[in-house]
Amino acid sequence: AAGVIQSPRHLIKEKRETATLKCYPIPRHDTVYWYQQGPGQDPQFLISFYEKMQSDKGSIPDRFSAQQFSDYHSELNMSSLELGDSALYFCASSPGQGSLDEQYFGPGTRLTVT
Amino acid sequence: TQLLEQSPQFLSIQEGENLTVYCNSSSVFSSLQWYRQEPGEGPVLLVTVVTGGEVKKLKRLTFQFGDARKDSSLHITAAQPGDTGLYLCAGKTGGFKTIFGAGTRLFVKA
Repeated sequence: AAGVIQSPRHLIKEKRETATLKCYPIPRHDTVYWYQQGPGQDPQFLISFYEKMQSDKGSIPDRFSAQQFSDYHSELNMSSLELGDSALYFCASSPGQGSLDEQYFGPGTRLTVT
Repeated sequence: TQLLEQSPQFLSIQEGENLTVYCNSSSVFSSLQWYRQEPGEGPVLLVTVVTGGEVKKLKRLTFQFGDARKDSSLHITAAQPGDTGLYLCAGKTGGFKTIFGAGTRLFVKA
């Protein structure tokens, strides 16, 4: 079965640079979630999209922005990178809106800021 | 402040032992999920519980949702080394935002 695809899997950037993370949800899933997970921490919800519109917002810094495109893939844009942005970034998708939908996670993008 | 409190944070047991992991909150959740995560990989969904008092079984894993939908437990019977991993509970209070617990790191020794 197709899973959530994230690219790149690993990314190394320097402080103040920008980064773009991509997420391709499971086919026919119209909801995408972004999470940030620091070392030894639980995933922190950043933002979600349903049908190409932002549906909820969590602890996403103002330096970050995201969008969902017509083909339902999503991109997380990160600017003015800081050392503290080093983390695993996960994308998850679910088949529809509402509180009962289960999320399926991608393998993550490991971002290292030096 | 962690909205979802998980306990214990770390558990090391021998193969064949039983264990229970708890997930507690002062908030009511419309649904609660349990995930298992391997190092460097994304969380994998184990189960979703929705109804207060609900019990779900997945082979040797038993999940229970509290009557008031504020807490949940995961019980593993006869743990095996393959059960080793980070177990996360996550809940939605409504809408799209999901809150994760800090996780329980389980190590099962052969």
